[in-house]
Amino acid sequence: EAGVAQSPRYKIIEKRQSVAFWCNPISGHATLYWYQQILGQGPKLLIQFQNNGVVDDSQLPKDRFSAERLKGVDSTLKIQPAKLEDSAVYLCASSRQDSNYGYTFGSGTRLTVV
Amino acid sequence: EDQVTQSPEALRLQEGESSSLNCSYTVSGLRGLFWYRQDPGKGPEFLFTLYSAGEEKEKERLKATLTKKESFLHITAPKPEDSATYLCAVRGDYKLSFGAGTTVTVRA
Repeated sequence: EAGVAQSPRYKIIEKRQSVAFWCNPISGHATLYWYQQILGQGPKLLIQFQNNGVVDDSQLPKDRFSAERLKGVDSTLKIQPAKLEDSAVYLCASSRQDSNYGYTFGSGTRLTVV
Repeated sequence: EDQVTQSPEALRLQEGESSSLNCSYTVSGLRGLFWYRQDPGKGPEFLFTLYSAGEEKEKERLKATLTKKESFLHITAPKPEDSATYLCAVRGDYKLSFGAGTTVTVRA
């Protein structure tokens, strides 16, 4: 089966600019996750979708971050305005509902804010 | 809140030199402990899921074990291609919480 697709792979922006990331999960996976991975740290969950609905967005900085999942398939994550501390890899993952096999991750988008 | 601590942060091994990575955790109601491998520039790749104390899983040169408070990932006779960052994660209610990982470098 095809993996989780993410784009772009890399993005460099200036602080206070906006940026958007796109994710296409594995077909049939109801659950979609966005994680932030800062260099040298483990991934941190930003938001979890179950089909169209948000399950958990408790660690999403809602004053600047937003996310949506279109028709329960693709998802976009937006940052506006970006700060220097947003520099990180943004990972998208998907899973079947209540998966026992963990999640399947995409390769991520590396964001550098200058 | 679920917590995962991995040690050591980095591990340098000679090819064939076996070693173990540690993952200690606190979680309310463990619904799975997961091990992932992450190569530079890539997303984490699933290795194992463990559910109960005493459980063991093996894959090639890797073996994962689980106790009530920690998990170990044993690397037996490693090869250079085993060089990667190994991430441990626990699932409590419904989300995975990750440790910072152990970066393993295996020299030929």
